[in-house]
Amino acid sequence: GAVVSQHPSRVICKSGTSVKIECRSLDFQATTMFWYRQFPKQSLMLMATSNEGSKATYEQGVEKDKFLINHASLTLSTLTVTSAHPEDSSFYICSASVPTGYYGYTFGSGTRLTVV
Amino acid sequence: QKEVEQDPGPLSVPEGAIVSLNCTYSNSAFQYFMWYRQYSRKGPELLMYTYSSGNKEDGRFTAQVDKSSKYISLFIRDSQPSDSATYLCAMSVSGAGSYQLTFGKGTKLSVIP
Repeated sequence: GAVVSQHPSRVICKSGTSVKIECRSLDFQATTMFWYRQFPKQSLMLMATSNEGSKATYEQGVEKDKFLINHASLTLSTLTVTSAHPEDSSFYICSASVPTGYYGYTFGSGTRLTVV
Repeated sequence: QKEVEQDPGPLSVPEGAIVSLNCTYSNSAFQYFMWYRQYSRKGPELLMYTYSSGNKEDGRFTAQVDKSSKYISLFIRDSQPSDSATYLCAMSVSGAGSYQLTFGKGTKLSVIP
């Protein structure tokens, strides 16, 4: 149980285009989801906290107009990287809190974004 | 000083060895401690979760927390090649609701057959 499905696993896009990443909780309702970014040999850096039905809370230094987060249902949160540039190339990972009987968070499998 | 310090390694050990992975932290408000394992190009998966100081054992894995020293460890006994991964420590001030996790950089472990 407590599975989070993240798609796509890998995407290559042209500079200036937008990319949408989906994160779905498959067998539970995720009131809160988190979006992380991970550079090679670096830790997971929290980008934003997404609560169902309300605006996401962004960490300092993360541009909310560039990284659009939508959490319209209890099972789906999306991250859209708008007008992507090569410096946005990274590994993006979502995670969700599981309501009961589970500690820690469950993570998606990640999305490798390459902007060319 | 970063909130959570973790030696990134890489750490290379022979199969069957005991592995010791460590993190130190500066924020005394951290109460919940976790270890995640991350295989290459995959999301982290939870290995161990501890709250209080002391040891917690799960199969070949033992998590140790020393709050007085702000030091946590993960021990892996009889290490296997399948244990080769990056191990991330994580901690939070709360264990309920929408708490945030603070991660270490991760230690890359290679277990050589």
